Amino acid sequence: GAVVSQHPSWVICKSGTSVKIECRSLDFQATTMFWYRQFPKQSLMLMATSNEGSKATYEQGVEKDKFLINHASLTLSTLTVTSAHPEDSSFYICSARSLAGYEQYFGPGTRLTVT
Amino acid sequence: GQNIDQPTEMTATEGAIVQINCTYQTSGFNGLFWYQQHAGEAPTFLSYNVLDGLEEKGRFSSFLSRSKGYSYLLLKELQMKDSASYLCAVIESNYQLIWGAGTKLIIKP
Repeated sequence: GAVVSQHPSWVICKSGTSVKIECRSLDFQATTMFWYRQFPKQSLMLMATSNEGSKATYEQGVEKDKFLINHASLTLSTLTVTSAHPEDSSFYICSARSLAGYEQYFGPGTRLTVT
Repeated sequence: GQNIDQPTEMTATEGAIVQINCTYQTSGFNGLFWYQQHAGEAPTFLSYNVLDGLEEKGRFSSFLSRSKGYSYLLLKELQMKDSASYLCAVIESNYQLIWGAGTKLIIKP
């Protein structure tokens, strides 16, 4: 149990375009979902926390107008990278926390390359 | 303030035992997690400790001492596939998860 999926697994886009990444909890309801970014050989960096039905809470230094997060249901959260630039190229990982406990279950990640 | 410390890198031999330490200073405590992350992949859950003591799960064990702000992950009978980064994370009182930078474990034949 506790499976989280992400789509797409990898995406290449041109500079200036927008990309949407989906995160789904497949077999449980996730009241809270988290979006992380990880650059090569660096640790996970929390970008934002989203609770179902409310606005996301962004970490300091993360532009909320650039990284749009929507958590419209208990099983789906989306991250849209708007006007992508090459420096946005990274590994984006979502995680979900159920009602039942504190553990975060991670999706497989989405590798974004902006050319 | 919040702080989680773990060694940056460790090296061990296949078949041996290795202990990865984690010390923390956080605003409250609701438990400590260990995650494994292979290069290019997302983290996977290994263990969760909220009470003092040792939790054993197959080749992996995790220990917690809340009074000392200290945990360790013990890996026995090391296999080459155990080469990965091991992340320590603490749940604070407000349920925020604070991550350590991770320990890169290199297994040599």
